[in-house]
Formats: sequence, C-alpha cells, structure tokens
Amino acid sequence: DQQVKQNSPSLSVQEGRISILNCDYTNSMFDYFLWYKKYPAEGPTFLISISSIKDKNEDGRFTVFLNKSAKHLSLHIVPSQPGDSAVYFCAASGHTDKLIFGTGTRLQVFP
Amino acid sequence: NAGVTQTPKFRVLKTGQSMTLLCAQDMNHEYMYWYRQDPGMGLRLIHYSVGEGTTAKGEVPDGYNVSRLKKQNFLLGLESAAPSQTSVYFCASSYGQLLDNEQFFGPGTRLTVL
Repeated sequence: DQQVKQNSPSLSVQEGRISILNCDYTNSMFDYFLWYKKYPAEGPTFLISISSIKDKNEDGRFTVFLNKSAKHLSLHIVPSQPGDSAVYFCAASGHTDKLIFGTGTRLQVFP
Repeated sequence: NAGVTQTPKFRVLKTGQSMTLLCAQDMNHEYMYWYRQDPGMGLRLIHYSVGEGTTAKGEVPDGYNVSRLKKQNFLLGLESAAPSQTSVYFCASSYGQLLDNEQFFGPGTRLTVL
C-alpha cells in the first residue's frame, strides 16, 4: 500500500522552461512534506519542505505547492537548468519521526 | 565536516553470510536512520534511532538488526543474508524531530547477495 505516490517515473523538460513534479498521498495524518533530490551514486539531498499549515513554500527557483483537500503536492522548478537533472523524491510524515518516500521521478533537462 | 559516511561502499555476499554496515556522522545529530532503496520502491525505512542506546523498527525491519552504542555511529547488521536483501542502503541523520530538521544522507552502500 503506497501511501506516497509519484505517478510519473520520468519527465523531460527543455532548459529554461518550467518543470512540474507531482506527488499524491493517501494518509490524511501526514502534516509535513519534503522534496529530496538525488544524483546517481550519491545520497538524497534535502531540497524544500512544507508543513500542512501552508499551501506554498518558495526557495529560489523551487516552489512547493500543497493542496490538502486533494492530497496533492507539486514541485515547480523555474527556470529549469541542466544541473537539475536528477531523481526527485517526495516524502511525507505525520506526527512521527519517520518519513514515507515516494518512488521518485527522474527529471531530465535538455538544452 | 565529513557529514554522513558509510562503510563499505560496495559489498557482494553469498546467501547465509553475515555482515555489518557502518554509518558515522560528525554533526552531533541525535537521530539516525537506515533506509533501503529498491527499483520502483523509493526509500523504505528499516530501523532508526532517536538517541544513543535507542533503536526502533521502521517499515521493513525483518532480517536486520541495529545498534547505536555511540551517538555518532549507527550499525546495520545482516545475520544471514538473503538475495531479497540485495539493495542500496542509505544511512541518514538529523538533529531532532522531522519538523524543521532535515535528514542528511550518506552516499550509500550497494549490497549484492548471491
């Protein structure tokens, strides 16, 4: 039972355009959401987070949107750069010390 | 600061063999975690620790044991390796509880069990 779902295994975007990565969750107890970025042969690195009391959080080129009623969050990257090519994991937590990760979306940014 | 380091980086085991994966962090973090990553499965929590001398089970604890004898180290043991434990293992640490405390990950250990 996958509580955090990333239904798009891959996404290809042209440099300079917007990348939108999506994530859905099923557990209404989740109240904290994170995005991690992973390059090959490296560990994931934290990118941005949002708590359930907000519907948007922005950090430079990265913005995360949360729609609690739809149990959906998205990560927007504007403008996309070749260095953004990586696997992006959505993760969620609910009043615990544990993170539940999605399966990841591989983003490729081409020139 | 080295951050989170993992030893070894790669290992091949035969079914039934045992081994220990070592995770070390130099950030004085209280919390430490072990995950495994499998194709199409994302990262799944094996065990975690909220402080020296404590451990707790995650999503997929069966077949693994852990110990946190020192604050900076978190060991993951496989007593009798099985092919189903072929995976990439990541260790992570954080200062405290998840809210406003991101997890820092190590580079991973690729384990193959034949």
